[in-house]
Amino acid sequence: AQSVSQHNHHVILSEAASLELGCNYSYGGTVNLFWYVQYPGQHLQLLLKYFSGDPLVKGIKGFEAEFIKSKFSFNLRKPSVQWSDTAEYFCAVNGRRALTFGSGTRLQVQP
Amino acid sequence: ETGVTQTPRHLVMGMTNKKSLKCEQHLGHNAMYWYKQSAKKPLELMFVYNFKEQTENNSVPSRFSPECPNSSHLFLHLHTLQPEDSALYLCASSQDREGSGRSGNTIYFGEGSWLTVV
Repeated sequence: AQSVSQHNHHVILSEAASLELGCNYSYGGTVNLFWYVQYPGQHLQLLLKYFSGDPLVKGIKGFEAEFIKSKFSFNLRKPSVQWSDTAEYFCAVNGRRALTFGSGTRLQVQP
Repeated sequence: ETGVTQTPRHLVMGMTNKKSLKCEQHLGHNAMYWYKQSAKKPLELMFVYNFKEQTENNSVPSRFSPECPNSSHLFLHLHTLQPEDSALYLCASSQDREGSGRSGNTIYFGEGSWLTVV
């Protein structure tokens, strides 16, 4: 079965702090991995994606994620968060089935 | 503007009502999806259509009935829903069906339809 686990449900950071959100997936075959972001009152937007090649993927707004195949992980990082990064972040994977999402991490950045 | 438009944005319905949610995509995609987003739960895939054919039904109760008349339009017909069905229903599309491990196939989401069942 294909599943995604996000360990942090709610994260509170101060501006300029570094961010790392955990994501682990379970699927034995080839996978594509995604991070989506949902700002308050807005639709889900693609932040970054990994299909193949360099396991360190850079996305929009200074976010990056690293695919570690041996750990089945795809953690999201940002060196210095801003208040405008306050949102909910979803990790997603698709292998054999259509896109499967984790439960999401709510990030709150305090000024 | 994502290229995926959902109507209505908000819907309140009684348990005995029949209503429909509509989704239209302007991206030339061939696959369309319905997802359910409830509080404190992961996004749940409900249905997948690829080239107008339903390819996945994720054990969704029959009170939810999808319809895909063409690759650009997707409906979700609602009948005798329960209060626990209240959620945000998201439509999405992609070039073709995700899940084959293919590269370059990204899903784009609409803004969702907030459904409240009373």
